[in-house]
Amino acid sequence: AAGVIQSPRHLIKEKRETATLKCYPIPRHDTVYWYQQGPGQDPQFLISFYEKMQSDKGSIPDRFSAQQFSDYHSELNMSSLELGDSALYFCASSLDWGSGELFFGEGSRLTVL
Amino acid sequence: QQQVKQSPQSLIVQKGGISIINCAYENTAFDYFPWYQQFPGKGPALLIAIRPDVSEKKEGRFTISFNKSAKQFSLHIMDSQPGDSATYFCAARVVNTGGFKTIFGAGTRLFVKA
Repeated sequence: AAGVIQSPRHLIKEKRETATLKCYPIPRHDTVYWYQQGPGQDPQFLISFYEKMQSDKGSIPDRFSAQQFSDYHSELNMSSLELGDSALYFCASSLDWGSGELFFGEGSRLTVL
Repeated sequence: QQQVKQSPQSLIVQKGGISIINCAYENTAFDYFPWYQQFPGKGPALLIAIRPDVSEKKEGRFTISFNKSAKQFSLHIMDSQPGDSATYFCAARVVNTGGFKTIFGAGTRLFVKA
């Protein structure tokens, strides 16, 4: 069965650079969520999209932005990277706005040097 | 008020034993309580979930007990196996003005000794 696909899996950037992460949800899933997970931490909700519209916003820094495209894939753009942005970034998708289950991708590991 | 408090932080259990992880919440607007299992380097995966109108749900060796009045829920892993060694997150879903949001507990690192 198709899963959530994230790219790239690993990314190394310098401070103040920009990074873009991509997420391809499970086919027919209409909601995408982005989470940030620091080492030994729980996943922190960043932002979500339902039917290509932002549906909720969590602890996402102003330096970050995201969008969901017409094919339902989503991109998380991170600018002016800081050392503290180093983390695993997970994308999750769900079917229907009311579904409780999140299907997570394998994550994109961002390292900021 | 949107926090989910999880304990213990880490747990070591002998093979064949029972693993118990507890969670508590304050927000009565939570309407769905899933547990996610995460292996190193992997994304969390749904293990089992319960809605607040049910007091217990069992799937194989995994059972959720839910106490609505106490605002607590727990995961029991019976006959724990070394392959169960992972980080477990309880979570709760709430409806905001913009949609649904799933809040995670801090996680419990389970190690099952062979």
